[in-house]
Amino acid sequence: DAKTTQPTSMDCAEGRAANLPCNHSTISGNEYVYWYRQIHSQGPQYIIHGLKNNETNEMASLIITEDRKSSTLILPHATLRDTAVYYCIDPTGANNLFFGTGTRLTVIP
Amino acid sequence: DAGVIQSPRHEVTEMGQEVTLRCKPISGHNSLFWYRQTMMRGLELLIYFNNNVPIDDSGMPEDRFSAKMPNASFSTLKIQPSEPRDSAVYFCASRSREANTEAFFGQGTRLTVV
Repeated sequence: DAKTTQPTSMDCAEGRAANLPCNHSTISGNEYVYWYRQIHSQGPQYIIHGLKNNETNEMASLIITEDRKSSTLILPHATLRDTAVYYCIDPTGANNLFFGTGTRLTVIP
Repeated sequence: DAGVIQSPRHEVTEMGQEVTLRCKPISGHNSLFWYRQTMMRGLELLIYFNNNVPIDDSGMPEDRFSAKMPNASFSTLKIQPSEPRDSAVYFCASRSREANTEAFFGQGTRLTVV
């Protein structure tokens, strides 16, 4: 079962930063937080993951709170192609990948 | 690598018929996942394998569904007999044996049971 809580939907103006929050209050000390996104009709796509340090790659930045109970995915300059459903995942101890309902991000021109 | 390959991309079948969905994971990956996605239920994990062995099949909806992984490069998800409520997009994903790595998804099979 999904162990994360995300807002159902968000809007972001094109060119602005999109900040997507996620609560994962039951995450254990050695589990990474993963973020994926799913663009309409396609398979989910990996974005980024982290343990406790902030992470950045070519797609996004991930900010994890010190207590590790929440994180924020940042798309620094959102484009129309970033419109998708974004999933924050707290894997179980058995390495399952359970997807919750995610956040539907709409980038507005 | 061509990524996770699923076939067919689309399948239309009549109620009562057997349906077999296929997945070829990325070479070298040792974990394989099957998901089902519908508007009503979202993305559901059906079953996953580690080293070709089913680890957790608690998400498999009922006995009509079965999954196999005869070797590291091939897996099938079978529905017999199929019903209209099985209509969905079925995704396969694979992941490396290295710890804390991401999963890669195929493009999915859109199944329609009429």
